[in-house]
Amino acid sequence: QSALTQPRSVSGSPGQSVTISCTGTNSDVGGYDYVSWYQHHPTKAPKLMIYDVDKRPSGVPDRFSGSKSGNTASLTISGLQAEDEADYYCCSYAGTYTRVFGTGTKVTVL
Amino acid sequence: EVQLAESGGGLIQSGGSLRLSCAASGFSVSAKYMTWVRQAPGKGLEWVSIIYSAGDTYYADSVKGRFTISRDNSKNTVYLQMESLRAEDTAVYHCARGYSYSHDAFDFWGQGTVVTVSS
Repeated sequence: QSALTQPRSVSGSPGQSVTISCTGTNSDVGGYDYVSWYQHHPTKAPKLMIYDVDKRPSGVPDRFSGSKSGNTASLTISGLQAEDEADYYCCSYAGTYTRVFGTGTKVTVL
Repeated sequence: EVQLAESGGGLIQSGGSLRLSCAASGFSVSAKYMTWVRQAPGKGLEWVSIIYSAGDTYYADSVKGRFTISRDNSKNTVYLQMESLRAEDTAVYHCARGYSYSHDAFDFWGQGTVVTVSS
């Protein structure tokens, strides 16, 4: 159950797009279409942004989108806004009812 | 309104035990899959345990044999019994609700309760 690999940080100016990668193996990301993404502001509860690779829960802006290719999933934030500055974690189902989180990425809005 | 409120955290000596509670409101814990996720200081999120509506339970390798997840439907509360605690169990522990539209995603999270294990 090794953590999925994410870049430590990404940054962009308001209005720009940023993409966060999440790399696993064919036992987790590559093996299932159950990748989710969470936004986490320090001292707050994490928030579900994307589920099942590319689906958005109600209320999440369509600026957030997800995708997957092979063993790597990605979260793209288009039209970056100041309130998007937070930590982002991917999570993948890993079989036998277990799941694994990514190492986390800090998004900075310049 | 959906709410999750964790409690039971605190300072405990290595080798000790602690029981965390996650009191839910606005939905029935028996109807959802519920999970515990922790975040050690300066680290990322780590999945700990899950209980499904049918009652089956699963654990991360790092806590298997030491932690037990359970629920009390009458109190609408999920628990995490932690035994043989180690310094590396020090973390903020969050409970979260399974998302109905997915096999594996969590749509509501609590603020967390802090567990500190002294060695």
